[in-house]
Amino acid sequence: GQNIDQPTEMTATEGAIVQINCTYQTSGFNGLFWYQQHAGEAPTFLSYNVLDGLEEKGRFSSFLSRSKGYSYLLLKELQMKDSASYLCAVTDSNYQLIWGAGTKLIIKP
Amino acid sequence: NAGVTQTPKFRILKIGQSMTLQCAQDMNHNYMYWYRQDPGMGLKLIYYSVGAGITDKGEVPNGYNVSRSTTEDFPLRLELAAPSQTSVYFCASSYSAGHNINEQFFGPGTRLTVL
Repeated sequence: GQNIDQPTEMTATEGAIVQINCTYQTSGFNGLFWYQQHAGEAPTFLSYNVLDGLEEKGRFSSFLSRSKGYSYLLLKELQMKDSASYLCAVTDSNYQLIWGAGTKLIIKP
Repeated sequence: NAGVTQTPKFRILKIGQSMTLQCAQDMNHNYMYWYRQDPGMGLKLIYYSVGAGITDKGEVPNGYNVSRSTTEDFPLRLELAAPSQTSVYFCASSYSAGHNINEQFFGPGTRLTVL
């Protein structure tokens, strides 16, 4: 079966750094997405990785290791507005997105 | 550009009633999707379409139906509402599923309760 695992919830302090991990087992791989979803709102695109390595975009970075079926999202200089759920999603061999359940990130002052 | 729009935003149905959730996009995207999201869960694909006149089942299609008569519109039909269909429904679109970055753009969602 296809499976994506993420921690259910994480807590971090404003100004700190947090790493959200995602492991996946899918039928084929055509890229991995990270989306941000604030409570009661729609998901919005954060990052995309298709090759191994680190992609940096401002305070957010995403890493991929295809051989390990592993990715992480790194958030630096945390702000209160970063309190949200972070969804990991993998494009499988049929180009369908398989979604993880999301990680709820709580930022404390 | 309005992006992806959905109506209604909220709806309460009685068991056995039917309704249509509307979705439209103005980005000239070929691909459109319907997802449901239950509390604390990930997105589950209900149906998707790769272009006008073409639709296909996703992971959880039972109890739903779709049509795609135009590139812009992708309505989702619930024929006999059941409490298990209480959820938040998101419509999304993308340029192409096989593209380098097939980022999906989401509508604001419809919160449906079936009592």
